[in-house]
Amino acid sequence: DAKTTQPPSMDCAEGRAANLPCNHSTISGNEYVYWYRQIHSQGPQYIIHGLKNNETNEMASLIITEDRKSSTLILPHATLRDTAVYYCILYIQGGKLIFGQGTELSVKP
Amino acid sequence: DVKVTQSSRYLVKRTGEKVFLECVQDMDHENMFWYRQDPGLGLRLIYFSYDVKMKEKGDIPEGYSVSREKKERFSLILESASTNQTSMYLCASSPNRGRLEDEQYFGPGTRLTVT
Repeated sequence: DAKTTQPPSMDCAEGRAANLPCNHSTISGNEYVYWYRQIHSQGPQYIIHGLKNNETNEMASLIITEDRKSSTLILPHATLRDTAVYYCILYIQGGKLIFGQGTELSVKP
Repeated sequence: DVKVTQSSRYLVKRTGEKVFLECVQDMDHENMFWYRQDPGLGLRLIYFSYDVKMKEKGDIPEGYSVSREKKERFSLILESASTNQTSMYLCASSPNRGRLEDEQYFGPGTRLTVT
C-alpha cells in the first residue's frame, strides 16, 4: 500500500503560517493527496485534496511538488483553534482512505 | 451543515456481549463508513456501504458486521465483544454513490471499553 510520512509534531506561533509537510514517494499517478485534521475529542474534518495542481480553499492551501513525491499543507494565519492532529492521506483506487499517524500541530500564543 | 450523529459518546460492555453502534446522517449521503482509531495505528476502515443493504469489507472486518436497512442509518455490530475491540469508533458519510474519494463527514465518535 502507498504510504505517507509526516513529522510527529510541530509548533507554530499564532497568526503565522503553518506549513505541514508530507512525503509520499511511492504515490502512483491516479492517487489523490487528501488532508484531514482531528481536533481533540472530535471526529476528523476534511480540509483539502489535490491530484497534481496546487489547490486553495477557505481553510488552507495545498502545494504538491512536480514529481508528486511530497506535498505541503499551508494554514496561512494559524489560530489557537487550528491546534489538532493533521493527517496526510492518499486515496487508493478501490476507495480506501488510509489514515496514518499524522502531525500534531500546536499553535501557541 | 451535514450532521453525522452516533448513538453514544461512551460505552462500557462486558466480554462476550453483543454490541450495537448506531450512526445516522441527515444529508441524504449515499456512502457510509465505520472506522476504529487506536493510538499509534491511526484510523482503520472496518466496513463501508454505498447503498442500502450493500456492504463492503474494509481493512479490519474480522469480529464485526454491519447493517444498512435505511439510507440514513449504518450500524456496526460486535457479535461477541472482546477486550481487543476496546477503541474509539468513528462513523463517516460522503455524498455520491461509489465516489469514495469524496469528502467524508465524520461523527464525534464512540469510545467503547470492553471489560
